[in-house]
Amino acid sequence: NFMLTQPQSVSESPGKTVTISCTRSSGSIASYHVQWYQQRPGSSPTVVIYEDHQRSSGVPDRFSGSIDSSSNSASLTISGLRTEDEADYYCQSCDSNSNLIFGGGTKLTVL
Amino acid sequence: QVQLQESGPGLVKPSQTLSLTCTVSGDSIGRNSYYWSWIRQPAGKGLEWIGRIYATGNTNYNPSLKSRVTISLDTSKTQFSLKLSSVSAADTAVYFCAREREGSDWSGDYYYYMDVWGEGTTVTVSS
Repeated sequence: NFMLTQPQSVSESPGKTVTISCTRSSGSIASYHVQWYQQRPGSSPTVVIYEDHQRSSGVPDRFSGSIDSSSNSASLTISGLRTEDEADYYCQSCDSNSNLIFGGGTKLTVL
Repeated sequence: QVQLQESGPGLVKPSQTLSLTCTVSGDSIGRNSYYWSWIRQPAGKGLEWIGRIYATGNTNYNPSLKSRVTISLDTSKTQFSLKLSSVSAADTAVYFCAREREGSDWSGDYYYYMDVWGEGTTVTVSS
C-alpha cells in the first residue's frame, strides 16, 4: 500500500502564509481525493478540507487545498495566519479498497 | 446536532480484548447515509484508521488490524462498538469514534472523511 508523507513541523509568523505538503509514496495523488484535518492540543480532529479543495462548513477562506500531479502531492495552504491556527494538521486519503490512510501529521507553530 | 461519545474501560490487560462503545445522539445510525468509524492515536503520534461499519452491517477494517478487530452496530441503542483482541502495549492510545461521510465527485469517484468526532477515550494496555 502507499504512504502519505508530511513534514513533521512548519512555523511561520502571524499574518503570513504557510503551505503544508502531503506526498503520496506510490500511485497517483489524483487517484483518490485528499482530505485535511486540524487537531488543536487536547481536542479531536476536525475536517477543514475535503475532496482536495472543498472547505468544510464554517472553515474560513484563508484555508485552501490543492493537488499537484507533478510532485504527486497535496497541499494545505493557510493565509493570514492567526495564533488560533496553531495545531497539528493531517492529510488523509483512501486506497483501492476504500481503507483510509492518514499522513503522519504536521505541527504548525505560529510564532 | 450529532454528538458521539466513547465509553469503556480505560485499562486493559495484555492479551485481553479491548471493548469500546460509541453512543450516537442526534442522528439515526440505522439510516443508510453514513458510515460509523473508529480511529486511534497513540500519545504524541498520528492518527490510525481502525475500521468502519455501515447501517447494513457491512464492515471494512484496516488490513494491519483486520485479524483482531470487530466492529458491530446496535441500532436499537444507537450505539456501535469496537472489539480489539489480543492487545499489547502497542495498542495503548486515545480511541475516537466518528461519523464517516462518503462523497462522490463529478466523475463518480468516491471519497471518505470523518465529519463528526467523539472526544476520544484513553485506553492503556498494562498488567
